[in-house]
Amino acid sequence: RKEVEQDPGPFNVPEGATVAFNCTYSNSASQSFFWYRQDCRKEPKLLMSVYSSGNEDGRFTAQLNRASQYISLLIRDSKLSDSATYLCVVRDSSASKIIFGSGTRLSIRP
Amino acid sequence: DAGVIQSPRHEVTEMGQEVTLRCKPISGHNSLFWYRQTMMRGLELLIYFNNNVPIDDSGMPEDRFSAKMPNASFSTLKIQPSEPRDSAVYFCASSVQGANTEAFFGQGTRLTVV
Repeated sequence: RKEVEQDPGPFNVPEGATVAFNCTYSNSASQSFFWYRQDCRKEPKLLMSVYSSGNEDGRFTAQLNRASQYISLLIRDSKLSDSATYLCVVRDSSASKIIFGSGTRLSIRP
Repeated sequence: DAGVIQSPRHEVTEMGQEVTLRCKPISGHNSLFWYRQTMMRGLELLIYFNNNVPIDDSGMPEDRFSAKMPNASFSTLKIQPSEPRDSAVYFCASSVQGANTEAFFGQGTRLTVV
């Protein structure tokens, strides 16, 4: 079983739609959680951190459920520029290992 | 800060040759990660260092792969001998060690072994 699992997609949604991605992780000792974004042929970049109480950054909302070991990302009012691959990321506390999910591809159509 | 710097950006080599990928982490970062990305397997953690010491190399696919970090500002990933299945994008990332800090990536090295 992979340490971080994501639905690979692709998700193909119209502009303005709301889309949600989910991610599960296997290590209950994981301490920090992030969502990264990767554009085609580019390096991954941090989109947002995920806090225990949930957090919002503009059109993006991240949620964490430690009991279920589940992380989500919600994108509201999607834009063409949101088309990318979204990577779920988990970091443990002890040795600070950072593990990435395989990513979910999102394509926004006009 | 220039960010994480990787070289070369592209490498094409013949099967059997030695390949060396280089990485300069962000100054002040004490964790360094090497990842490999392919369409089939996604972004795989190969090895990571804390304070120049290798902590976990369980992701290194086989003995043909080796990584070093001789000082805080430089790391190498070496493949010897290279094989066509090693073709991938290799990313280096650095971070401040600690649970709540994110990793910053270099632009990657696109390796093609023919």
